[in-house]
Amino acid sequence: DGGITQSPKYLFRKEGQNVTLSCEQNLNHDAMYWYRQDPGQGLRLIYYSQIVNDFQKGDIAEGYSVSREKKESFPLTVTSAQKNPTAFYLCATNSRAGETQYFGPGTRLLVL
Amino acid sequence: AQSVTQLDSQVPVFEEAPVELRCNYSSSVSVYLFWYVQYPNQGLQLLLKYLSGSTLVKGINGFEAEFNKSQTSFHLRKPSVHISDTAEYFCAVSTPVLTGGGNKLTFGTGTQLKVEL
Repeated sequence: DGGITQSPKYLFRKEGQNVTLSCEQNLNHDAMYWYRQDPGQGLRLIYYSQIVNDFQKGDIAEGYSVSREKKESFPLTVTSAQKNPTAFYLCATNSRAGETQYFGPGTRLLVL
Repeated sequence: AQSVTQLDSQVPVFEEAPVELRCNYSSSVSVYLFWYVQYPNQGLQLLLKYLSGSTLVKGINGFEAEFNKSQTSFHLRKPSVHISDTAEYFCAVSTPVLTGGGNKLTFGTGTQLKVEL
């Protein structure tokens, strides 16, 4: 069954805590992306990676970090420096020559 | 820099009526254009896309969109909506594939379509 999986579906963060959101894909896509979605603001790009061991900041990278050690995986860490982390986080992928991004089901992050 | 404007944050419509969701964009280079649909607490699903060629694009679930270069618009239409079309719809623009692969999508703020009986 091909696709993009994100886990967990819901995640709770305590004050000062770092949390990591998982994104895994078996589509053999080279490029992967993380977006943040807030009500009424659409989606904003946090980080993206075009190839293993390489990634670039998007429009709102402050307070986030990523790694890309494997083609299939692109985890996102929300650090304690991100003061307003409550949002819906979406992972997307596409092939290097492709133009269409495909999205995972999302993770909702809530602050306790 | 690219930008996308979806002027209507909410569009109520009765079932079986036609609907148009508006999208305007600005860009200094040629772009690809997309419409995505999002159901509550789910990811985005591609409805349709314009890359080149015919300006009228047909997508899934009976939706279509027309690319108008002179008006920089890409409005989404459906001739007869169903209750199941209730969802949020996002317009997005993309630069052509970047050197090294992949592309950058810029999204509008979304239009909530509410279909009523």
